[in-house]
Amino acid sequence: AQTVTQSQPEMSVQEAETVTLSCTYDTSENNYYLFWYKQPPSRQMILVIRQEAYKQQNATENRFSVNFQKAAKSFSLKISDSQLGDTAMYFCAFRDANTDKLIFGTGTRLQVFP
Amino acid sequence: SAVISQKPSRDICQRGTSLTIQCQVDSQVTMMFWYRQQPGQSLTLIATANQGSEATYESGFVIDKFPISRPNLTFSTLTVSNMSPEDSSIYLCSAHNRKAGGDTQYFGPGTRLTVL
Repeated sequence: AQTVTQSQPEMSVQEAETVTLSCTYDTSENNYYLFWYKQPPSRQMILVIRQEAYKQQNATENRFSVNFQKAAKSFSLKISDSQLGDTAMYFCAFRDANTDKLIFGTGTRLQVFP
Repeated sequence: SAVISQKPSRDICQRGTSLTIQCQVDSQVTMMFWYRQQPGQSLTLIATANQGSEATYESGFVIDKFPISRPNLTFSTLTVSNMSPEDSSIYLCSAHNRKAGGDTQYFGPGTRLTVL
């Protein structure tokens, strides 16, 4: 069975600084997708970034980028130039290409301070 | 992208009663799912809502407790039956279109359920 582990329950960063959130996963599959979702206090789940396992190039979306290490089964999220609006819970998620089901990590609560 | 709405957004219910949550997607989607998020916890998949057939439940979830309907490609309901305080959670609907390239799974705004 696939598992997703986020070892940082809470993180904090000062505005304009850079922060990295960790995520590791376990799977025997070769074809899968990885996601980072953001959940602000409004509780709406918002996609931050996604990575296809077959792509070697790390995904980037504006201030957000990932460090995808397939052999190590690691998928960390880097947030550059942190903004107050980045304050939220961040969930790492794994999706098996065969079943389409999302498996979530336990989340990291990120607080951005002015 | 898909826009997903849920009704109700929140409810407070009495023990032993049932609540049906509706999920509406603004476009046809192949896959719809229901998740539960207990207070301060992550999301756990309850079931995959299959169009025109019985839902596929994850371990620990059963049809008698969480009956699900999906009459068409844009709509699904989740019923929480015979509720107890342990059912107090946020229930989220999600959807995506299955195609090569790994389409994103979108989420509704959630339904916050409190059982007294």
